[in-house]
Amino acid sequence: AQSVTQLGSHVSVSEGALVLLRCNYSSSVPPYLFWYVQYPNQGLQLLLKYTTGATLVKGINGFEAEFKKSETSFHLTKPSAHMSDAAEYFCAVSPFSGSARQLTFGSGTQLTVLP
Amino acid sequence: AAGVIQSPRHLIKEKRETATLKCYPIPRHDTVYWYQQGPGQDPQFLISFYEKMQSDKGSIPDRFSAQQFSDYHSELNMSSLELGDSALYFCASSSLGEQPQHFGDGTRLSIL
Repeated sequence: AQSVTQLGSHVSVSEGALVLLRCNYSSSVPPYLFWYVQYPNQGLQLLLKYTTGATLVKGINGFEAEFKKSETSFHLTKPSAHMSDAAEYFCAVSPFSGSARQLTFGSGTQLTVLP
Repeated sequence: AAGVIQSPRHLIKEKRETATLKCYPIPRHDTVYWYQQGPGQDPQFLISFYEKMQSDKGSIPDRFSAQQFSDYHSELNMSSLELGDSALYFCASSSLGEQPQHFGDGTRLSIL
């Protein structure tokens, strides 16, 4: 079974500061990894994904994440926070093979950006 | 680009009533997933379909059923609704069961 742990249900940063949202996964084999963002009353928008290949993945809106197998981590970063980044962020995993490809989500991190 | 369409966006029902949620996947996507997100919670997988056949089942109550039709749209049927069914229901689609999944904006179901 796969699971995802997001450390910190709430993170606050100042505008222009570094954003770091932590995600660790548990899986018997390296899974596919994703970060989704959810704005209030909206659906889940894919920020970035890791499937295979380069471990540093760049996504939309200036976000990036690095897959570290040895640490079973996939932390999300952004060098400079913008007010529009305030939202809920979900880390998710999926098996890389097999018929069951549903996503397992972490509990989410609410990002607040302070002016 | 076309996205996943869910209808209705909002639905209000009373206890013990039934509800039907619809999902129209991205064109040429053959895989549909349903998720339930309770207030302040992460999305939980309910059920998925690939090429009109159920491919996997998660924490879907027996009171719920779903199917995927020949045009690949999917419907989630919910009966004997309970207060605890109040949630945001998401549909996601993908091609050939591959990643990533693309999500709709969800249906917010409120049970009175």
